[in-house]
Amino acid sequence: KNEVEQSPQNLTAQEGEFITINCSYSVGISALHWLQQHPGGGIVSLFMLSSGKKKHGRLIATINIQEKHSSLHITASHPRDSAVYICAGRPADGLTFGKGTHLIIQP
Amino acid sequence: DVKVTQSSRYLVKRTGEKVFLECVQDMDHENMFWYRQDPGLGLRLIYFSYDVKMKEKGDIPEGYSVSREKKERFSLILESASTNQTSMYLCASRGGAGNTIYFGEGSWLTVV
Repeated sequence: KNEVEQSPQNLTAQEGEFITINCSYSVGISALHWLQQHPGGGIVSLFMLSSGKKKHGRLIATINIQEKHSSLHITASHPRDSAVYICAGRPADGLTFGKGTHLIIQP
Repeated sequence: DVKVTQSSRYLVKRTGEKVFLECVQDMDHENMFWYRQDPGLGLRLIYFSYDVKMKEKGDIPEGYSVSREKKERFSLILESASTNQTSMYLCASRGGAGNTIYFGEGSWLTVV
């Protein structure tokens, strides 16, 4: 069983919809990352959280340490949000990754 | 603007060849990482380094070695490439005030 589980694996939505991607982890972590990977490979770090909530533009990330759960929300989704979203827990050195959520936003 | 640069974007190598994947970061970070990414398996850690000349095995180090002679450069070496090492390889570095992780653009390696 992967130590970091994401759901859903694949998500297709219409432009403008509110998107939620979930991440649960079973390891003790000092921080959780949300990453975005566009076709072609490059990965960008969206958020690093150790508690509470962070917001950047239309993206919101929350974490509940007690429940070992984090969510990434996208408001007013747009086709350019189409990407793979990956959560990663940092237990010590390195990261433990979820397998990613493939998001497609249709116009 | 912070940068992690991987020297080769696309490579095709023959089985048995020695392969070098180079990664350079310009942020003076101590921590650097090499991952491979495969469909259905996600990102897996091969090796990481937390200082010059220091290295630690990750989850899948077999068939790989690394070199960190300078702080800014972390090289991944495939001593004798095999077809099961066909993959996308990602370098990352981490450090700074926010301890944020930064990734390179990835190197697509095909071993034939």
